[in-house]
Amino acid sequence: KNQVEQSPQSLIILEGKNCTLQCNYTVSPFSNLRWYKQDTGRGPVSLTIMTFSENTKSNGRYTATLDADTKQSSLHITASQLSDSASYICVVVSGGYNKLIFGAGTRLAVHP
Amino acid sequence: ETGVTQTPRHLVMGMTNKKSLKCEQHLGHNAMYWYKQSAKKPLELMFVYNFKEQTENNSVPSRFSPECPNSSHLFLHLHTLQPEDSALYLCASSQGSGPETQYFGPGTRLLVL
Repeated sequence: KNQVEQSPQSLIILEGKNCTLQCNYTVSPFSNLRWYKQDTGRGPVSLTIMTFSENTKSNGRYTATLDADTKQSSLHITASQLSDSASYICVVVSGGYNKLIFGAGTRLAVHP
Repeated sequence: ETGVTQTPRHLVMGMTNKKSLKCEQHLGHNAMYWYKQSAKKPLELMFVYNFKEQTENNSVPSRFSPECPNSSHLFLHLHTLQPEDSALYLCASSQGSGPETQYFGPGTRLLVL
């Protein structure tokens, strides 16, 4: 069964600290993996898209990694800011049918 | 903003009401989507339209009726909903219906009483 599991479910960190969010997937065949940021009351916004051959991709203070062998991805946030408080959703696109499989998200709260 | 707008942003309706959600995209995309987002659950794809034609219906109950009059507009007509239909309804668009990046609207927060 195609699934995307994210951990932790929620996380609280202090402003300025770093954090890492995890995503494990069992989607096959694999096409690409995306991380989205969803602010409260808003729709998700794409942060990164990674294909099979890409191990790391950065977008400002956000760095995503992908290990296609272990089917794991992580999103690392450096020097967190209050505006980073949001849900972060991992999405895996299955090849062939181009189906998007969504994780349930990690809710991050950055406190001053 | 992402170029995808949704109205209304909030909606409260009774189980016997009829209402419609509207989505408009200003990105020149050809594919549009409706998603349901319930608390602590992954986004659920409901419908996909590509060049105004419905290409996917993920076993959505008939009390949800989509309409796509053109590539820029998408509606979701609601009729005799149940309390468990309360959720955030998100519209998205993309250039094609393949693996391209989808751009999401802000959503309509629906409460069914």
